[in-house]
Amino acid sequence: GAGVSQSPSNKVTEKGKDVELRCDPISGHTALYWYRQRLGQGLEFLIYFQGNSAPDKSGLPSDRFSAERTGESVSTLTIQRTQQEDSAVYLCASSLDRGREQFFGPGTRLTVL
Amino acid sequence: AQSVSQHNHHVILSEAASLELGCNYSYGGTVNLFWYVQYPGQHLQLLLKYFSGDPLVKGIKGFEAEFIKSKFSFNLRKPSVQWSDTAEYFCAVNPTGTASKLTFGTGTRLQVTL
Repeated sequence: GAGVSQSPSNKVTEKGKDVELRCDPISGHTALYWYRQRLGQGLEFLIYFQGNSAPDKSGLPSDRFSAERTGESVSTLTIQRTQQEDSAVYLCASSLDRGREQFFGPGTRLTVL
Repeated sequence: AQSVSQHNHHVILSEAASLELGCNYSYGGTVNLFWYVQYPGQHLQLLLKYFSGDPLVKGIKGFEAEFIKSKFSFNLRKPSVQWSDTAEYFCAVNPTGTASKLTFGTGTRLQVTL
């Protein structure tokens, strides 16, 4: 079946602009996660959605970052007033349920000039 | 908060050499453990996982890992590497029974030469 998909694959933006990144999880997966991978570093957790529960936003680095998910489908990660330090690959993952293995999408490479 | 350490940042091996990549975590409770691999130009893929039971787990492509609870370790091994194993390898952990965000190590870049 189809895996996790993300769009766009690459995004170049100017400092101060807002960007929106999209994730389509695997159908039937109730849990959805966003991670960030900056150059030379490991993956850094951002936010986690589980069904209709309140999301775990504990990894969001600032209030410029927000994410939404409609039910158990698509999620969007929004970064407002982008800064150069936001440049990274943003990865989305989904799993059947919390605690199960996570399947990753190809990521969106964000470059803030 | 839990953390994961991968001590080898860059490993270069010749084909047919044996591989062991270290992974240590810090967390006092029960954990699930994972190794993910990212081949050049591809996205992260699950290599193997440990939830419970036999501490020696076997994954795809001949990889295995051993969970040693007393050492908080989950080292990845392969008896004979191939050029196609060139990739970046990430160890990850999440505590069982809690919010299941993964904590990742910084990764080990493996380069296999012919």
